Amino acid sequence: YVLTQPPSLSLAPGKTATLTCEGNHIGYKRVHWYQQRPGQAPRLVMYYDNDRPSGIPERFSGSNSGDTATLTVKRVEVGDEADYYCLVWDSSSDRWLFGGGTTLTVL
Amino acid sequence: QVQLQESGPGLVTPSETLSLTCTVSGDSVNTDSDYWAWIRQTPGRGLEWIASGHHSGKTLHNPSFKSRVNISVDASKKQISLTLTSVNAADTAVYWCARQKAALDVWGLGTTVIVS
Repeated sequence: YVLTQPPSLSLAPGKTATLTCEGNHIGYKRVHWYQQRPGQAPRLVMYYDNDRPSGIPERFSGSNSGDTATLTVKRVEVGDEADYYCLVWDSSSDRWLFGGGTTLTVL
Repeated sequence: QVQLQESGPGLVTPSETLSLTCTVSGDSVNTDSDYWAWIRQTPGRGLEWIASGHHSGKTLHNPSFKSRVNISVDASKKQISLTLTSVNAADTAVYWCARQKAALDVWGLGTTVIVS
């Protein structure tokens, strides 16, 4: 099973970032999203497709259907610049799988 | 507030065994619903889950590591240990431990391992 994420996304402050994670019938899986700033550990920003951990702004939302899971960040800020990774549990191989990550640049 | 702290040798000789320890504070490691995981990150292979362990002794392993990996949870010490045998340059990475609830929800700061 393979998770595919676009390598990069650039947009201006205040715009809406749409980060995608593609996988075969990923809509049947539960997707988790991580934010990783340089030199830091990944930080969970969305779990079970669209649940936000405490402390994550409401600007972050998630969805998952068909072959695409999406993390949406509204009104992006410079502080949102980071790498974003999706994660699923692949029951066919009994393993956690990460996507390749998307670098979000806010300029 | 749960915190995880990884520790390791920093530098490992090729073909030797890497041993890492994760110490947990602020939480119990013998909660039945929790597993404890090791993940690594390399420039070439990105984020890669290695294995997860449970205080009961149950373990889950990434098949990519074949039989090189062993993970164990010591509830009395609140530690999760990982050993990786026959290391090579491709095992050079930052290694993290994480609590596995619904997702890998809490991560340590990580420890860098160089195989050389």
